[in-house]
Amino acid sequence: ETGVTQSPTHLIKTRGQQVTLRCSSQSGHNTVSWYQQALGQGPQFIFQYYREEENGRGNFPPRFSGLQFPNYSSELNVNALELDDSALYLCASSPGQGRETQYFGPGTRLLVL
Amino acid sequence: DQQVKQNSPSLSVQEGRISILNCDYTNSMFDYFLWYKKYPAEGPTFLISISSIKDKNEDGRFTVFLNKSAKHLSLHIVPSQPGDSAVYFCAASLGSYQKVTFGTGTKLQVIP
Repeated sequence: ETGVTQSPTHLIKTRGQQVTLRCSSQSGHNTVSWYQQALGQGPQFIFQYYREEENGRGNFPPRFSGLQFPNYSSELNVNALELDDSALYLCASSPGQGRETQYFGPGTRLLVL
Repeated sequence: DQQVKQNSPSLSVQEGRISILNCDYTNSMFDYFLWYKKYPAEGPTFLISISSIKDKNEDGRFTVFLNKSAKHLSLHIVPSQPGDSAVYFCAASLGSYQKVTFGTGTKLQVIP
């Protein structure tokens, strides 16, 4: 059984650019959540997708957007990058949108210069 | 506003002794609490959870205690092993909604 994978592992962008991060869910999982973890902080919930529909959002501006595909893989898009967007971006998949355990990927480290 | 707080950034414990990690929360609506463990270069891994209708949940060497009146929970690891060295995150959610609010983490070092 393949776990949650994310790509790329590291990324460097400049302020104002756009970035797309990718996540492959664990087999059989139809729910994916995205988190931002700034240095020295815990993960912060960005949004969740359930069967290709956004199913809840944290306190992040609209320039953070996402997609979930029919195979339940997912993308996180961030437009107009700011220096404060530098962080580890984690995705987590689960077999449902209730209290099932979330399985995290290793994350994508984004640096905005 | 940090709704889940872990006030100890780090903790060192001798192998074989008990590790106690603490967590406080401010939102009384939280009704489900979790602990995650994170090794470097890996994503967080679920460890143990507790519903607000309970005050204790045990899984092998790991026990979580919940004190709702004090809005406090703790994770006990007995006995501690060097492989337990990691960052531990306390987290909370409300309702059946999967949005999870994490604390800032406590780095545990178990000394052989």
